[in-house]
Amino acid sequence: EPEVTQTPSHQVTQMGQEVILRCVPISNHLYFYWYRQILGQKVEFLVSFYNNEISEKSEIFDDQFSVERPDGSNFTLKIRSTKLEDSAMYFCASTERNEQFFGPGTRLTVL
Amino acid sequence: DQQVKQNSPSLSVQEGRISILNCDYTNSMFDYFLWYKKYPAEGPTFLISISSIKDKNEDGRFTVFLNKSAKHLSLHIVPSQPGDSAVYFCAASEVGRAQKLVFGQGTRLTINP
Repeated sequence: EPEVTQTPSHQVTQMGQEVILRCVPISNHLYFYWYRQILGQKVEFLVSFYNNEISEKSEIFDDQFSVERPDGSNFTLKIRSTKLEDSAMYFCASTERNEQFFGPGTRLTVL
Repeated sequence: DQQVKQNSPSLSVQEGRISILNCDYTNSMFDYFLWYKKYPAEGPTFLISISSIKDKNEDGRFTVFLNKSAKHLSLHIVPSQPGDSAVYFCAASEVGRAQKLVFGQGTRLTINP
């Protein structure tokens, strides 16, 4: 069964450093998303991406964040200068229609 | 901003009995609702969904009920099994294809043998 994959599973970085989180969505899906979950809180929407551009972004997704689909399979989230409060689980998701399928997540720890 | 609320942080059910998880929403623009199951250190796993034009959708042991007038939905699991122990999230999206999901806080379900 096709699935969304994410790498790395765990990323530790120093405050102010850049990180890139990688995702491979399900191959025939056209819509891609990033969500995050801070420990003990709900899953929050960050950004959606369709047809090689951002279709919607949340207030969290400020100028420090960017997304890219550099080739036909990968979908990346970049955080330019990480802050302590960026520590969270980051989930990638993809869909054809309405049921979004999530990857296993990347745990980002900012020290 | 709590457009989707799951008021029970936890629920404990005996194996073989029915588990009922509840979810309320406030945004009348929501027209598609989903339930996800999540184990620790894993991503949410899609379980079942329902469109606002229906009031019930069933898939094996899982049934979702939607009451639009009350802005309430519920997930029934019957019979409950130990492997069902996980955190369950209710999510909703607005009208339109592939809209973002708004999640509830989750309910931790524990199935006791």
